Amino acid sequence: GAGVSQSPSNKVTEKGKDVELRCDPISGHTALYWYRQRLGQGLEFLIYFQGNSAPDKSGLPSDRFSAERTGESVSTLTIQRTQQEDSAVYLCASSLGAGRNQPQHFGDGTRLSIL
Amino acid sequence: GESVGLHLPTLSVQEGDNSIINCAYSNSASDYFIWYKQESGKGPQFIIDIRSNMDKRQGQRVTVLLNKTVKHLSLQIAATQPGDSAVYFCAEPSSGGSYIPTFGRGTSLIVHP
Repeated sequence: GAGVSQSPSNKVTEKGKDVELRCDPISGHTALYWYRQRLGQGLEFLIYFQGNSAPDKSGLPSDRFSAERTGESVSTLTIQRTQQEDSAVYLCASSLGAGRNQPQHFGDGTRLSIL
Repeated sequence: GESVGLHLPTLSVQEGDNSIINCAYSNSASDYFIWYKQESGKGPQFIIDIRSNMDKRQGQRVTVLLNKTVKHLSLQIAATQPGDSAVYFCAEPSSGGSYIPTFGRGTSLIVHP
């Protein structure tokens, strides 16, 4: 069964480099979310896509963060000029319909380490 | 000094015991709640959900109880097994029609064989 797939699973990069993280949602899921999870902490919302509507970017912590989604499929999260504080696990989730009152299905995340 | 963020509430139980994990929510208008389980190195996994027109919902070895009067949610795991060791957290929809859920910080369940 195809769940949410994220790549790479691990990424180590030097401070100042750009990184791109990929998410393949479950087919047919129109809602897609990106979250950040620091060690031992809860989920921090970053951005939400729903169909062809304008994304909700209210959780992006700075203008170094951006995300795109192609239709109702693949999404990429880009972090420019990475900082050590960006080190975290980045999780992607998708859900049916608009997402409200629907469970989210998560990938296993990309563990990002900034040296 | 210690970082508060690294110290999740922890529940330690013996294998075979029943476990109860609690969650308080803030929005009295919330109408849907979800429990997730997150094992080390993995993404959160849906366990069970409940809508506000119910007080109780049972799954396989898990039961969720909803007390709307005190805005409290609990997850009960029967006959806890070592494989149940994980972080458990609840989620509720955000207020104002937002599609962004609010997640609790989580409780770490440790099951001793």
